[in-house]
Amino acid sequence: DTAVSQTPKYLVTQMGNDKSIKCEQNLGHDTMYWYKQDSKKFLKIMFSYNNKELIINETVPNRFSPKSPDKAHLNLHINSLELGDSAVYFCASSHSIGLSGQGRYGYTFGSGTRLTVV
Amino acid sequence: GENVEQHPSTLSVQEGDSAVIKCTYSDSASNYFPWYKQELGKRPQLIIDIRSNVGEKKDQRIAVTLNKTAKHFSLHITETQPEDSAVYFCAASLTGGGNKLTFGTGTQLKVEL
Repeated sequence: DTAVSQTPKYLVTQMGNDKSIKCEQNLGHDTMYWYKQDSKKFLKIMFSYNNKELIINETVPNRFSPKSPDKAHLNLHINSLELGDSAVYFCASSHSIGLSGQGRYGYTFGSGTRLTVV
Repeated sequence: GENVEQHPSTLSVQEGDSAVIKCTYSDSASNYFPWYKQELGKRPQLIIDIRSNVGEKKDQRIAVTLNKTAKHFSLHITETQPEDSAVYFCAASLTGGGNKLTFGTGTQLKVEL
């Protein structure tokens, strides 16, 4: 029973191609995220969705387009892939901050998708 | 926005010794500070977290301390074991910011026999 599952685990593709990564969580969380981990292991947020609505959109090229069909799924589509897009992409989920600010914040990460652009 | 600095970037200790990793954050509004452990080729996993209304939290061999005035927090691992070898990340959360976690740059901990 994987809590946050990502597919594919590995993705090797040529420059200029378009690819998608899928993420699903069965934890009942209402917030999902995409993080990028570069070769130096730095984890940087890309997007966040709460109940299917985009709430965080960091400085990410518009070649990256997230989509959340429901609160249990968050996909990432990347157009015109570039060499610099090579990284590990992690999906994560959590409960949101409640109106009282007493939300449970801990993230659960997926196993990651290692994207290599050649 | 929030900025989290983490030191040291690498740390080698002998088995049984203690290890301490330190982080500072910039936004005084942050009120949630988790620590994640990432083993080679695996996902980051939450190992301990602390809220701003608490100064210290302990879970077996792991403890975290928080100094809100100075805006720094630390991870302490006692009686280190080889399986503690991993990259450790601190993070800070902006209140009302959609639960966005800003991560530190990571510490590669190596526990030597």
